[in-house]
Amino acid sequence: QKEVEQDPGPLSVPEGAIVSLNCTYSNSAFQYFMWYRQYSRKGPELLMYTYSSGNKEDGRFTAQVDKSSKYISLFIRDSQPSDSATYLCAMKGSSYKLIFGSGTRLLVRP
Amino acid sequence: DGGITQSPKYLFRKEGQNVTLSCEQNLNHDAMYWYRQDPGQGLRLIYYSQIVNDFQKGDIAEGYSVSREKKESFPLTVTSAQKNPTAFYLCASSIGGSGRQETQYFGPGTRLLVL
Repeated sequence: QKEVEQDPGPLSVPEGAIVSLNCTYSNSAFQYFMWYRQYSRKGPELLMYTYSSGNKEDGRFTAQVDKSSKYISLFIRDSQPSDSATYLCAMKGSSYKLIFGSGTRLLVRP
Repeated sequence: DGGITQSPKYLFRKEGQNVTLSCEQNLNHDAMYWYRQDPGQGLRLIYYSQIVNDFQKGDIAEGYSVSREKKESFPLTVTSAQKNPTAFYLCASSIGGSGRQETQYFGPGTRLLVL
């Protein structure tokens, strides 16, 4: 079993929809949770960073962490075609090492 | 303009050949990392360096080598011992130090193809 599980998609939604992207994990030592956005043939770009449980909002993006369920989510409001990309969750405990999900491909249709 | 640069963007390797991928950062970060990304898989750590003149193997170091002679630079050599080198290679850096709260920032990547 992988430490971090993420549905690969693709997830196809119409423009303006609310998108929900999720990851589950097995290691209860993870404390730091990140979401990266990766456009095709580009490097990942850090979108959201959350420590421990709770919510964090930044513009149209909201990150949620539920440590009791070992479940994290990224919500995108008013989705735009420019949001079409692969979204990678990543997490770490107290060490340097980031553990990545395999990524969910999102397509926002105009 | 601070950031991480990787070169070349595309690299072609012949069988039996060693090739070197360049990674440079001007963020004044102590820690640097190399990842490999294959289709449908997450990023896998090849090597990392927390400080100049020191580096450690990641999860898939076999067939790769690195050096860290300067803080800004962390080149990766894909040796002929790496039998399946075709992948997208990503370099990252982070502030370093405690390793607790820091996040990693990525370069644009190098796509390596075998001829």
